[in-house]
Amino acid sequence: EIVLTQSPDTLSLSPGERATLSCRASQSVSSYLAWYQQKPGQTPRLLIYDASNRATGIPARFSGSGSGTDFTLTISSLEPEDFAVYYCQQRSNWPQTFGQGTKLEIK
Amino acid sequence: QVQLVESGGGVVQPGGSLRLSCAASGFTFSNYGLHWVRQAPGKGLEWVAYIRSDGSNKFYADSVKGRFTISRDNSENTLYLQMNNLRPEDTAVYFCAQDASGLGYFDYWGQGTLVTVSS
Repeated sequence: EIVLTQSPDTLSLSPGERATLSCRASQSVSSYLAWYQQKPGQTPRLLIYDASNRATGIPARFSGSGSGTDFTLTISSLEPEDFAVYYCQQRSNWPQTFGQGTKLEIK
Repeated sequence: QVQLVESGGGVVQPGGSLRLSCAASGFTFSNYGLHWVRQAPGKGLEWVAYIRSDGSNKFYADSVKGRFTISRDNSENTLYLQMNNLRPEDTAVYFCAQDASGLGYFDYWGQGTLVTVSS
């Protein structure tokens, strides 16, 4: 099973700042990695797929990069609605797996 | 628009069984793979199972293999998860999710149904 490790566990930033979230895989997943956002009481929302492609309707301030084992989700300038938990997910190998999540909180 | 509505959750004793359903609408059900994903209270997401559009391929998380069975009825536009020999650690909200793009990601999610395993 591929283990995804996200860092940091919690990230405290202010609106307008740049957020950088990391996801590291225990073995290569090529570019088969996605990022999801989950707000309290809501279902997850797909943000980025295949490492760097924005899903439909996702604002341009969200971008993804990386391949192999190291991936990054960047939010260029935080909006109040961006404070949430973010998960990475790989679909390279069965079983599919998620990272443990990074909580992005308001500083 | 895509709608996924889960049902069948509830409280069950350890060792018991439960069958979850996910009623789908707004898309051609038989064309898409579907997943079950769960989330324990206050915890992260855990992928549970996947079934191909025609039901020919199924995959499971190691934590549920041999106890859970995913199935679908394409004539009824419904996805199922039969859960047997339930354990307290299976307590979670169970979501069905659609792989709309065919790329293996979770494009659309239902609102989930809560399963509580407790004596």
